Amino acid sequence: QKEVEQDPGPLSVPEGAIVSLNCTYSNSAFQYFMWYRQYSRKGPELLMYTYSSGNKEDGRFTAQVDKSSKYISLFIRDSQPSDSATYLCAMGSGTYKYIFGTGTRLKVLA
Amino acid sequence: EPEVTQTPSHQVTQMGQEVILRCVPISNHLYFYWYRQILGQKVEFLVSFYNNEISEKSEIFDDQFSVERPDGSNFTLKIRSTKLEDSAMYFCASGREEYEQYFGPGTRLTVT
Repeated sequence: QKEVEQDPGPLSVPEGAIVSLNCTYSNSAFQYFMWYRQYSRKGPELLMYTYSSGNKEDGRFTAQVDKSSKYISLFIRDSQPSDSATYLCAMGSGTYKYIFGTGTRLKVLA
Repeated sequence: EPEVTQTPSHQVTQMGQEVILRCVPISNHLYFYWYRQILGQKVEFLVSFYNNEISEKSEIFDDQFSVERPDGSNFTLKIRSTKLEDSAMYFCASGREEYEQYFGPGTRLTVT
């Protein structure tokens, strides 16, 4: 079983839709959970980070962590064509090493 | 807004040659990282660096790789004898907190 699993997509949604992106993981030691956005041939851009379980909201973005299910989610409200990118989850256990998912490619159609 | 910068943007080298990839992290950051991303694949952790020493490294980061912070601003990744499979985008990242990583634009390394 891979340490971090993420559906590669592509996921196509109409403009204004709520997008749900997810990752599952196998390592119960993970405590730090991050979401990045990556445009083609660019570096990942940190969107949100969460420590341990719970929800965190920032503008149109909400991150959720369910440690009991080893499942994390990123919700994007009122999606825009400019949100079209690859979304990466990443996780760490406090040992300065982070494991990334493969990324989900999102297309928001105008 | 401060950014992580990386040079060069593209490096072409012959197999067996040494390369040095350079990064200037954001100035008040304490944690430094190198990652690589082979085309079409996921971002892979190479090494983290804190308090002037390596904190953690992956299996990929073998004896061919080394990192240095030669002065207060630069952070370098050296590959001693490049192989074809080292061809990838190499990203530097820095952060104020351990879980915070701001990535640079990357250096595309092509080994021929």
